[in-house]
Amino acid sequence: AQKVTQAQTEISVVEKEDVTLDCVYETRDTTYYLFWYKQPPSGELVFLIRRNSFDEQNEISGRYSWNFQKSTSSFNFTITASQVVDSAVYFCALSEAGFGNEKLTFGTGTRLTIIP
Amino acid sequence: DAGVIQSPRHEVTEMGQEVTLRCKPISGHDYLFWYRQTMMRGLELLIYFNNNVPIDDSGMPEDRFSAKMPNASFSTLKIQPSEPRDSAVYFCASSFRGAGTYEQYFGPGTRLTVT
Repeated sequence: AQKVTQAQTEISVVEKEDVTLDCVYETRDTTYYLFWYKQPPSGELVFLIRRNSFDEQNEISGRYSWNFQKSTSSFNFTITASQVVDSAVYFCALSEAGFGNEKLTFGTGTRLTIIP
Repeated sequence: DAGVIQSPRHEVTEMGQEVTLRCKPISGHDYLFWYRQTMMRGLELLIYFNNNVPIDDSGMPEDRFSAKMPNASFSTLKIQPSEPRDSAVYFCASSFRGAGTYEQYFGPGTRLTVT
């Protein structure tokens, strides 16, 4: 069975600080996909990134970066120079490969508050 | 391009009434998912379809819930009869798993309140 753990329930930082959101996953599959989604106060779920299990390269997109480490089963998300607009709930999710395994298993989310 | 469209955005109904939620996936996507979000249980999958065929409905709570996808452009989730514990935000999502893309795109959600 697959499982995603986001141990940080809530984080508050002052604007312009860097912040890292942790994600640890469990799966028996050797091929799988990891995702981060953002849920702002308006409630929609916004796709941020997908990472394939066979690609451990870290990724940077503007102020966002992701660190994928298979050895520790972690897929952490860092926001550099945080802004008030980053305030949201962030979900890490996992999907396994193969037909019949396409669903997303979500973590419980981390509520990030950026204090101006 | 239009994203996933859901209607209604808000639904308030009385216990025992029938509720129908609607979803239009992104054109060209071959997977459609229904999720429910509650404070207690977080985000959980209810059912999903591939090419209009239900693949996994193990998350459907009980017989009061049913979902259909009569064509590639439309799906419904029906609750009959509704109960207060069905109050939640219901999300529809779609994806296309060809060419190595697997991300799901979510609609705005339907906030259901059953009194």
